[in-house]
Amino acid sequence: QVQLVESGGGLVKPGGSLRLSCAASGFSFSDYYMSWIRQAPGEGLEWLSCISSSGSTIFYADSVKGRFTVSRDNAKNSLYLQMNSLRAEDTAVYYCARDSPPSPWGGADYWGQGTLVTVSS
Amino acid sequence: QSVLTQPPSASGTPGQRVTISCSGSSSNIGSNPVNWYQQLPGTAPKLLIYNNDQRPSGVPDRFSGSKSGTSASLAISGLQSEDEADYYCAAWDDSLSGCVFGPGTKVTVL
Repeated sequence: QVQLVESGGGLVKPGGSLRLSCAASGFSFSDYYMSWIRQAPGEGLEWLSCISSSGSTIFYADSVKGRFTVSRDNAKNSLYLQMNSLRAEDTAVYYCARDSPPSPWGGADYWGQGTLVTVSS
Repeated sequence: QSVLTQPPSASGTPGQRVTISCSGSSSNIGSNPVNWYQQLPGTAPKLLIYNNDQRPSGVPDRFSGSKSGTSASLAISGLQSEDEADYYCAAWDDSLSGCVFGPGTKVTVL
């Protein structure tokens, strides 16, 4: 069965960095676009980024462009989100999700359980 | 402010039909498929509808989606207590080159 497991969340100071990982299993990871989506406490869903199956095409939301970098390692069935220059408003649960066709966004058909990132001094 | 517009809340009694609207523009709903998500309290979102009106395997046929022009709708017929959740619409936006989510609609079963 499809499984997505995020890790790497935690408490970080404003201006700091954090790298999230998402381990995928149960499907052919290298065939799918993947996305990162976050949800601030008590708020709605915010799409952050998606990356093509090969990693050659990447899209970012304006809110994180230039600060966050998404990457993937198809040999390790893993997705990553490098987050720099973190701000208090980046505090959220971060989800990785599998994108279903038609790419780049046919809908996120599988989601991880999420990892909490807290940005606070 | 969200690019997509949804009512903040909707409610109904068990067995009733509830409809949630999602309004966008020509760059998102008007030119790309719409999907809908259900988020139960404390859990990750779940895909409910994709490609405007398609249900993934395992989603009850009480849930249906439709799209017309730059608007989409999610209907829940035969409302049940376990349908109490937040519902989000989403679509790719060609102008933003990114996905946009609606602000979410909280459905309450009275």
